[in-house]
Amino acid sequence: EAGVAQSPRYKIIEKRQSVAFWCNPISGHATLYWYQQILGQGPKLLIQFQNNGVVDDSQLPKDRFSAERLKGVDSTLKIQPAKLEDSAVYLCASSLIWGGGAVNSPLHFGNGTRLTVT
Amino acid sequence: AQSVTQPDIHITVSEGASLELRCNYSYGATPYLFWYVQSPGQGLQLLLKYFSGDTLVQGIKGFEAEFKRSQSSFNLRKPSVHWSDAAEYFCAVTPGNQFYFGTGTSLTVIP
Repeated sequence: EAGVAQSPRYKIIEKRQSVAFWCNPISGHATLYWYQQILGQGPKLLIQFQNNGVVDDSQLPKDRFSAERLKGVDSTLKIQPAKLEDSAVYLCASSLIWGGGAVNSPLHFGNGTRLTVT
Repeated sequence: AQSVTQPDIHITVSEGASLELRCNYSYGATPYLFWYVQSPGQGLQLLLKYFSGDTLVQGIKGFEAEFKRSQSSFNLRKPSVHWSDAAEYFCAVTPGNQFYFGTGTSLTVIP
């Protein structure tokens, strides 16, 4: 099966600029996640979608970050305006159903987008 | 609150030597447990998972992990490390609705 697709792979912007990332999950996967991975740390959940609805966005800095999954398939994550501390790898992941505890529902990750804010 | 601790930030082993990466979790019940590996510039790849049953689980690339309820641990092992195993390893737990990741252990393999 095709994996989780993300683009772009790399992005360099200046602070206060805006940026958008795109993710296409594995076909049929209802749940989509955006994670932020700062260098030397584990992934931190930003937002979780179940189909086109938001399940958890409690750690999303809503004053500058936004995400959507309009048709329940692909998703975009936007940062506007970017800050220096937003420099990180942004990982998209998908799972078959909501709730990672199901036997057939581990997370499948894309290769990520590395964002550098200067 | 759920949490995952990986005590070792960095480990160096010689090729062919055995490996054990530690993972401890904090959760009121038995969570679902995972190990992921991340090669440079790549996303995370699932190595193995534990849901229930046999506490010793086998994964890909010759890795295995043992769940020990009494120690709240889920340590990853490999009997003989290959140079291609050099990567970042993340332990993760989920009570069923959200994944919590450890801070990772970076593995260096010496030829």
